[in-house]
Amino acid sequence: QKEVEQNSGPLSVPEGAIASLNCTYSDRGSQSFFWYRQYSGKSPELIMSIYSNGDKEDGRFTAQLNKASQYVSLLIRDSQPSDSATYLCAAYTSGTYKYIFGTGTRLKVLA
Amino acid sequence: GAVVSQHPSWVICKSGTSVKIECRSLDFQATTMFWYRQFPKQSLMLMATSNEGSKATYEQGVEKDKFLINHASLTLSTLTVTSAHPEDSSFYICSPIGGQETQYFGPGTRLLVL
Repeated sequence: QKEVEQNSGPLSVPEGAIASLNCTYSDRGSQSFFWYRQYSGKSPELIMSIYSNGDKEDGRFTAQLNKASQYVSLLIRDSQPSDSATYLCAAYTSGTYKYIFGTGTRLKVLA
Repeated sequence: GAVVSQHPSWVICKSGTSVKIECRSLDFQATTMFWYRQFPKQSLMLMATSNEGSKATYEQGVEKDKFLINHASLTLSTLTVTSAHPEDSSFYICSPIGGQETQYFGPGTRLLVL
């Protein structure tokens, strides 16, 4: 069973701090990775996608991918209370044409 | 990002009735549709995958006769929960794919079966 693992949290950080969210995946064939944010009662919304090793930055968000370690992370700089949500990590493998989601990490940004 | 709509957003029904959920991709053609279910405080669970014009492929443990999926066009797919029971109460989310790898989600339909 191909899996994506995330710590369920909650991860609590003070406002203005950096929040670091981590994810590991088991399928070495996975080639695309996505971070979604999901507010309570809402459907997931895409934050970032990453396909190659290294860092990818978009505003306050930085995604990091290390395929050798099968590890994906998301850094949120200058965390705001509005960032409080569950963050889902997903891995996509074109061979299976499936997206595998982690169970999500709940982030709490304390004002 | 892609624009996806779902209707209805909320539905409450009596046990034994059938409920149809529509998912539309508004600005692209969806060759593939994923249907997910999410119970409170749990992650997304893939129910089935359908390609336009063909039968859906259901995940293990999902009853194909209970959850009827129709993907008759490139912009519309429907999920019908037949003879709904309280244990079917959940948040149902569609995700149409149109050639891109990035997966976008509909806003979801919350179903409550009394």
